[in-house]
Amino acid sequence: DVVMTQTPVSLSVAIGQPASISCKSSQSLVGTSGKTYLNWLLQRPGQSPKRLIYLVSKLDSGIPDRFSGSGSETDFTLKISRVEADDLGVYYCLQGTHFPNTFGAGTKLELK
Amino acid sequence: QVQLQQSGAELAKPGSSVKISCKASGYTFTSYYISWIKQTTGQGLEYIGYINTGSGGTNYNEKFKGKATLTVDKSSSTAFMQLSSLTPDDSAVYYCALNWFAYWGQGTLVTVSS
Repeated sequence: DVVMTQTPVSLSVAIGQPASISCKSSQSLVGTSGKTYLNWLLQRPGQSPKRLIYLVSKLDSGIPDRFSGSGSETDFTLKISRVEADDLGVYYCLQGTHFPNTFGAGTKLELK
Repeated sequence: QVQLQQSGAELAKPGSSVKISCKASGYTFTSYYISWIKQTTGQGLEYIGYINTGSGGTNYNEKFKGKATLTVDKSSSTAFMQLSSLTPDDSAVYYCALNWFAYWGQGTLVTVSS
């Protein structure tokens, strides 16, 4: 199975400051179609995960453009340009290229 | 709007089975595969497998073969997951999701205890 390694495990950020999360995969996530099926999810306390970004950098509907995704092959990054209180929770990367799909262990974003 | 409504929490005894449901609404049921995901504090999020809601075809993560059985009832737009031979390690929150994880159910807590 593809191993997804997320860093850091936790992140303490002040409101209005930027945040960045890294996700590295144990093999390339470029599929046979040429697309890279890398998603970012946010799970707020007591809620189901919510997809924020798909295909590396495409924002889901309603997701503010403070969020951005980048990367290729095996290295990917989620950036939040200015953290807001509503951004708190656990962020997961998820690859959908290889079966079984696999998740990172999560990065907990907390307020400083 | 797309919604996935899962059945309520289950308390089961070791060795028994449970069947949880995921009722879909707001779209054509057979348009998307439905995936199932397990979440525990210790193991995080694990992908169980998916079902083709049109054909009923399934694909399971090797780890969950023999543990999970996925089915659908197209007449009620509902997907089901049966978990068999339960052990305490099966205690978790189970989610259904569709369209490349764009939509998630609210989760079903399964607790296995004697």
